[in-house]
This record gives sequence, structure tokens and C-alpha cells, in this order.
Amino acid sequence: QKEVEQNSGPLSVPEGAIASLNCTYSDRVSQSFFWYRQYSGKSPELIMSIYSNGDKEDGRFTAQLNKASQYVSLLIRDSQPSDSATYLCAVIGGSARQLTFGSGTQLTVLP
Amino acid sequence: TAGITQAPTSQILAAGRSMTLRCTQDMRHNAMYWYRQDLGLGLRLIHYSNTAGTTGKGEVPDGYSVSRANTDDFPLTLASAVPSQTSVYFCASSAAGQGAYNEQFFGPGTRLTVL
Repeated sequence: QKEVEQNSGPLSVPEGAIASLNCTYSDRVSQSFFWYRQYSGKSPELIMSIYSNGDKEDGRFTAQLNKASQYVSLLIRDSQPSDSATYLCAVIGGSARQLTFGSGTQLTVLP
Repeated sequence: TAGITQAPTSQILAAGRSMTLRCTQDMRHNAMYWYRQDLGLGLRLIHYSNTAGTTGKGEVPDGYSVSRANTDDFPLTLASAVPSQTSVYFCASSAAGQGAYNEQFFGPGTRLTVL
């Protein structure tokens, strides 16, 4: 089982809709969770971090964490074509203490 | 503020040759990292350094070496390149080497092709 799993997509949503990106992780003692956005040919850019159960909102982005279900998600409200990118989920596990990335979900927002 | 710079931007290298990828950060971050990104495999950690003078192995360290002589620089060396090392290489840094609040920030990357 991969340590961090994401649906590879591609995920397509119309402009203005809510995009929902999901991630599960295997290490029960994981403490920190991050979402990165990566445009084609560019480097990953940190957009959200979340450390405790519940929701964290930043502008149009909301991260949701459920440690009991080992699940973290990213919601993008009022999706824009400029949100089209690959979104990477990353987790700091309890043992290695290093960041482990999922393989990413490709999102396309259709005008 | 430049953040993290990497050089070169891209390189074509003959198999068997050596090469050093350069990474410099100006954020006075303690920790630095090297990742490679391959289609379908995501980002994988090669080596890391929690603080100047120390280094550690990541998930895929074979064929690579690193050094951390000072806070700002973290070069990655391929002693004898092989085609399987064709990849995009990203350098990253974070304020703390370990711990829960380890937000990492990435450089622009180096695209390496080994023929």
C-alpha cells in the first residue's frame, strides 16, 4: 500500500464549480498535511497546510482533515481556469519525519 | 528575495559523466532537500540535510551524493550518470529540519537528460 494515495484523475470541473481533491494516508501517527499546486513544467508551490482535525480556510481554498479516517481533502470554490494544475498531497509521518508525496491529481477547470 | 535558485535549468549529459546540480537558498533555512520527479512516480526524496554539516539518505539515494558545507548551499553530485537518472530534480528548503511544522519550499528545478 502506498503511503499517500490520491486519485490520479484527470478531474474536470466547469468554471465556477467546486473542485474536490482527496487524499488518504497510511501512517496513523502522521501529524502534518500539505497541499501543493504544480503547474505544468513548474515547481510545486505550497498552498495549504493543516495540522489538526477539521477545516482550514484560505480564500477560495479549504483543507479538511479527518485523522480517524486518515483522510485529507482540498476544496476549491469558484474554480477558475487558472486553477488548472496538478495538486499534490504531502504528509509528514510519525517515523521518518520526512515529507511523503502522493502522485498528484490533475485538475482541469473548463471555461 | 530570490528564495531558492537552482542551476543549471536543464542539461543533457552523456552516460558515465559526472555532474553537480547546484542549489542555493537565501532564506536562512536550516534544512534542505533534493527530490526527483518522474512521471507516475511522483516526488521522491534523494538526500536531505537538517542543518549545515549533516546529511541523510532519503528514499532513492543510490548514485547520488550531497554535501552541506554552509547554510545556503546544498549541491547534488552524480558521480557516474546513468540513463535511469534522467529526471527533473527539485531542491527544497524548510526552516526546521524535522518536526511537525515542516513547510517545504521548492526551487525551480533542473531537467536532466542522461543519454
